Amino acid sequence: DIQMTQSPSSLSASVGDRVTITCRASQSISSYLNWYQQKPGKAPKLLIYAASSLQSGVPSRFSGSGSGTDFTLTISSLQPEDFATYYCQQSYSTGFTFGPGTKVDIK
Amino acid sequence: QITLKESGPTLVKPTQTLTLTCTFSGFSLSTSGVGVGWIRQPPGKALEWLALIYWDDDKRYSPSLKSRLTITKDTSKNQVVLTMTNMDPVDTATYYCAHFLRGYSGYEDHWYFDLWGRGTLVTVSS
Repeated sequence: DIQMTQSPSSLSASVGDRVTITCRASQSISSYLNWYQQKPGKAPKLLIYAASSLQSGVPSRFSGSGSGTDFTLTISSLQPEDFATYYCQQSYSTGFTFGPGTKVDIK
Repeated sequence: QITLKESGPTLVKPTQTLTLTCTFSGFSLSTSGVGVGWIRQPPGKALEWLALIYWDDDKRYSPSLKSRLTITKDTSKNQVVLTMTNMDPVDTATYYCAHFLRGYSGYEDHWYFDLWGRGTLVTVSS
């Protein structure tokens, strides 16, 4: 099984801040990496697929990068509606493992 | 417009079998490049992928839960059914179904859960 880790597990930030979340795979997954946002009591929402492709309708302040084992999700200027938990997920192999999540809250 | 909705019991007893139904609209599960998956989330914890069924009836299961899971589809009813045997209190979670789509980036095809149902909370307790 491919294991996914994320760092940090939580962070506090202010509106307007640049935020970066890191995801690491236990083996190379090329660019088979997706990012989701989840707000309390809601279903996850797809933000980024294939490591860097922005899902339709997602604001351009979200961006993804990386390949192999190391990936990042960047929010260029944090907005009030961005306070949420973010998950990475590998789609390289069956298991489709999610990371443990990174909670972004208000500083 | 694609929508998915999970249905099933809210409470099951330990050792019982859970049967969940995902009823969807806005797409056909006989169309190439489409699948439906199940993902769960225990209260306050992370997402865990459970199972997936593709348009061609190919099925994939979480290795750690494979012996307990069965996924099937009824294309005529636009439904996907997940059964999980031998339920335990640790299986208490919100269970989501999601549309699994093949997209393209560069020369590669990539799969992702682009749309999700609202989820259904299943509690396992005697």
